[in-house]
Amino acid sequence: ETGVTQSPTHLIKTRGQQVTLRCSSQSGHNTVSWYQQALGQGPQFIFQYYREEENGRGNFPPRFSGLQFPNYSSELNVNALELDDSALYLCASSQTRDRGKETQYFGPGTRLLVL
Amino acid sequence: QKEVEQNSGPLSVPEGAIASLNCTYSDRGSQSFFWYRQYSGKSPELIMFIYSNGDKEDGRFTAQLNKASQYVSLLIRDSQPSDSATYLCAVNPLPSGGYNKLIFGAGTRLAVHP
Repeated sequence: ETGVTQSPTHLIKTRGQQVTLRCSSQSGHNTVSWYQQALGQGPQFIFQYYREEENGRGNFPPRFSGLQFPNYSSELNVNALELDDSALYLCASSQTRDRGKETQYFGPGTRLLVL
Repeated sequence: QKEVEQNSGPLSVPEGAIASLNCTYSDRGSQSFFWYRQYSGKSPELIMFIYSNGDKEDGRFTAQLNKASQYVSLLIRDSQPSDSATYLCAVNPLPSGGYNKLIFGAGTRLAVHP
């Protein structure tokens, strides 16, 4: 167990709806990254939060947004859900110290199904 | 060209054998390299990380890195049926904008049969 928690574990939504996913980072970690993993694929980087600000973003549209709170927990929000948003959403916790040598530990994930 | 490439498998090995999993990456400036194991329906679990050229051993696992060839591998000695999973290679490319991200391959499915 990594100490990273995510909620909910499963979620079913319909097209056009909005969803909020939550993540609590491992104790001592100050950085949270979010990934999307479609079936049969590797995780794809969505964005990273550090010191409550978006620290970097992958190739995802603006309807994917997030927050980080003072206790380092984080939320991922997705607006206007599309069928292709169906995936496993993974939160990864890390401690930003040495650039390029940061180790990320994943939570159990939230499986989102969009109908 | 994909940034991180892995053979999708399945790689089938008998129990007790050595499993060899390979990964190539395109960004020559990449700084750190990770192997994650993912069981079906679960999230990725960190197995090994390696920063420098050469071998790094941890129990039954050995990670090998060759930056000149842009190649990283994972060897699993004395493979067990419980090692059957998808192994994801992840690369941290040269940081840009002051943040780190992982670029993953699609994973290699390993099947260890008794």
